[in-house]
Amino acid sequence: RKEVEQDPGPFNVPEGATVAFNCTYSNSASQSFFWYRQDCRKEPKLLMSVYSSGNEDGRFTAQLNRASQYISLLIRDSKLSDSATYLCVVNRGGGADGLTFGKGTHLIIQP
Amino acid sequence: DAGVIQSPRHEVTEMGQEVTLRCKPISGHNSLFWYRQTMMRGLELLIYFNNNVPIDDSGMPEDRFSAKMPNASFSTLKIQPSEPRDSAVYFCASSRVHTEAFFGQGTRLTVV
Repeated sequence: RKEVEQDPGPFNVPEGATVAFNCTYSNSASQSFFWYRQDCRKEPKLLMSVYSSGNEDGRFTAQLNRASQYISLLIRDSKLSDSATYLCVVNRGGGADGLTFGKGTHLIIQP
Repeated sequence: DAGVIQSPRHEVTEMGQEVTLRCKPISGHNSLFWYRQTMMRGLELLIYFNNNVPIDDSGMPEDRFSAKMPNASFSTLKIQPSEPRDSAVYFCASSRVHTEAFFGQGTRLTVV
């Protein structure tokens, strides 16, 4: 089983729609969880951290289910500028530093 | 803060040549990471340092790869000799321990 698994997409979504991504992780020792965004030919940038209680940042909502070891990201009222690759990220846990990245989900918002 | 600074941004070299990638982390961050990104394998952690000390290099593909961090503000990743399969984007990232990482703009390496 891969450490962090995501549906690679692409997800083609009309502007204004709601889109949801999920990812699963295998390392039960992981303690920190994030969503990163990567634009074409750019570096990954932190979109938001993910907390057990769930958290929201504007149009973005992230949820964590530790029992099932999955993380979700919901984007409401999608904009053209949301087109990017979204990377699910978990820390390595067990005292080890470093982040393990999923291969990303490619999102295309269509006008 | 200028963020994580990497150089060069692009590198084209011939097979067999030595390549050195450079990174300046964000001031105050005590963890530094080198990642490699390819279409096939995504982002892979090569090595990370904590307080300038290499902690885990299990991701380094083979002995041709080496990394150093002589002080808190500078790190290098060296490939000697380089091979075409080393072609990738190499990212350096830094963080405070156990928090989110901030990435540099990457070095796009092409080995011909």
